[in-house]
Amino acid sequence: EAGVTQFPSHSVIEKGQTVTLRCDPISGHDNLYWYRRVMGKEIKFLLHFVKESKQDESGMPNNRFLAERTGGTYSTLKVQPAELEDSGVYFCASSQGSRGTTDTQYFGPGTRLTVL
Amino acid sequence: DQQVKQNSPSLSVQEGRISILNCDYTNSMFDYFLWYKKYPAEGPTFLISISSIKDKNEDGRFTVFLNKSAKHLSLHIVPSQPGDSAVYFCAATRWRGGKLIFGQGTELSVKP
Repeated sequence: EAGVTQFPSHSVIEKGQTVTLRCDPISGHDNLYWYRRVMGKEIKFLLHFVKESKQDESGMPNNRFLAERTGGTYSTLKVQPAELEDSGVYFCASSQGSRGTTDTQYFGPGTRLTVL
Repeated sequence: DQQVKQNSPSLSVQEGRISILNCDYTNSMFDYFLWYKKYPAEGPTFLISISSIKDKNEDGRFTVFLNKSAKHLSLHIVPSQPGDSAVYFCAATRWRGGKLIFGQGTELSVKP
């Protein structure tokens, strides 16, 4: 079974530009989460989808961040316009949801975003 | 406000010995606790978890202990192996399936 995949693995952009990160969860997982780790600090929650609906977006830092999960499959996280403080590693995780026997969150490898 | 804290940024142990990683939390509403292990350039990998109704959970070489009154949990690795060298994150959640609140991580180095 394929794990959580993320694209791209690295992205280097200039301040003011737009970047879109993509996450493909484990097939059949209803829950999808975005997290971010900045400057080697703790991993911080951004938001949580249940299927295509936003369950919790309390961690989104500001309106420059837009997350979507059309059709309840893959998700995108767009940063527009990017600022220097957005640099970090963005992780996506998925879990099976209510139908499953476990709610363990499985993480992807992350996208390292560098804003210059 | 750091609700989950790992006060030791690093830990070094000898192969074959016990590794003890500690984690403290402040929110009494947390109901479920997890440990993740992370290698460089990879995402966190789930290791072991414990519900707030238990005080111990064991899986092979890994045991997690929970002391609710002290709001403290620990991960014991016995015996430690060089392949265990990684960053270990403690995480907590108010409900299974909810957002995870992570500590800052502890970098474990197991020396042969």
